[in-house]
Amino acid sequence: AQSVTQLGSHVSVSEGALVLLRCNYSSSVPPYLFWYVQYPNQGLQLLLKYTSAATLVKGINGFEAEFKKSETSFHLTKPSAHMSDAAEYFCAVILTGGGNKLTFGTGTQLKVEL
Amino acid sequence: EAGVAQSPRYKIIEKRQSVAFWCNPISGHATLYWYQQILGQGPKLLIQFQNNGVVDDSQLPKDRFSAERLKGVDSTLKIQPAKLEDSAVYLCASSLVGGSSIDTQYFGPGTRLTVL
Repeated sequence: AQSVTQLGSHVSVSEGALVLLRCNYSSSVPPYLFWYVQYPNQGLQLLLKYTSAATLVKGINGFEAEFKKSETSFHLTKPSAHMSDAAEYFCAVILTGGGNKLTFGTGTQLKVEL
Repeated sequence: EAGVAQSPRYKIIEKRQSVAFWCNPISGHATLYWYQQILGQGPKLLIQFQNNGVVDDSQLPKDRFSAERLKGVDSTLKIQPAKLEDSAVYLCASSLVGGSSIDTQYFGPGTRLTVL
């Protein structure tokens, strides 16, 4: 069965520091991978998605993620954190041939400190 | 362009009561999804509609949950009777095509349900 694992339910960084949120997937066939962000009391917003084109994917708000098949990973990064990045981030997967069904990880809460 | 609309935003009920949530997807979107997000967990798909037909309801607890999308536009999710473990945020999403296509899903703000 496909699944996605997010390491670290809480991550804290200083403003201006590198943001690294980890996501690993388990699938014998490379899936489609997504990162969503959820601000308090709001729905999920798509940050970026990997659909088997370029392995380095650039998203909104300066975020990017790199698909690494050898490591079954799709980690999310941002070079310099901003206070407005504080939110919960979800990695999600759609298995190839699985329609449009998203399976989400458990989320990582990002805190940005001054 | 208007986003996905949901109502109510918050609902508090007693266990064994009934509750209904409403969702209006983005205009022209054929596929509509209902997700349940329990505190501390990622959203879980409950049901997926393509126009007014059900594509996937494998994780919908059918003994108490029901959903419909009669005219292929807006949708209602009902819980009857509610249990304490149904306390969650219920998210509605829509996508332009869906089905076998990989299509971006756009989410509404959710309805936070508290069952006492």
